[in-house]
Amino acid sequence: EVQLVQSGAEVKKPGESLKISCKGSGYSFTTYWIAWVRQMPGKGLEWMGIFYPGDSDTRYSPSFQGQVTISADKSITTAYLQWNSLKASDTAMYYCARLPPGLEYFDFWGQGTLVTVSS
Amino acid sequence: SSELTQDPAVSVALGQTVRITCQGDSLRNFYTSWYQQKPGQAPVLVIYGRNDRPSVIPDRFSVSSSGNTASLTITGAQAEDEAVYYCNSRDSSGNLLVFGGGTKLTVL
Repeated sequence: EVQLVQSGAEVKKPGESLKISCKGSGYSFTTYWIAWVRQMPGKGLEWMGIFYPGDSDTRYSPSFQGQVTISADKSITTAYLQWNSLKASDTAMYYCARLPPGLEYFDFWGQGTLVTVSS
Repeated sequence: SSELTQDPAVSVALGQTVRITCQGDSLRNFYTSWYQQKPGQAPVLVIYGRNDRPSVIPDRFSVSSSGNTASLTITGAQAEDEAVYYCNSRDSSGNLLVFGGGTKLTVL
């Protein structure tokens, strides 16, 4: 059974750093892309970027380039989304999702990680 | 702003048929996938590719496409279909992925 299990909710202050995780299981972790998707409160889905654990190929949406870092540790089949300096506007639910190579749909999703940034 | 445009809200009477549309120039060249999101839950893939459904999705969900418009059709809508539906595809360059703004479906 394919599963993506995300780390728990976080409450941070502006300026702090954060790294959230997404552990994949039940499939070959290195042969599927992992995507990160943001959903701000009451808003729609926004694609942030994708990472291919097989060769560390990384692609970002222009809206998020330079704002976050996507990475993974294939030895523990875990992907990460990282901020160096959080802003209040980063408050959102963040989902990881699996993307088959060469295709454009997300077939399995994590349960989401709620990040709250407040002073 | 999204390169894929969806109507913000649509309603349908219980048991009737409803169509939810997604417009964008890139849809002339790439498949559209559709996701269902209920309150407090992660999105779920409903339709992908030409007209494929994950095994857990009922066959009342189907898609069609014409020009720059893709449509998700629910034939015989049920109360449990009430949700926000998002379309997704590639952008015009083909290099990036993009979501539509979402359509809130109300089943009356």
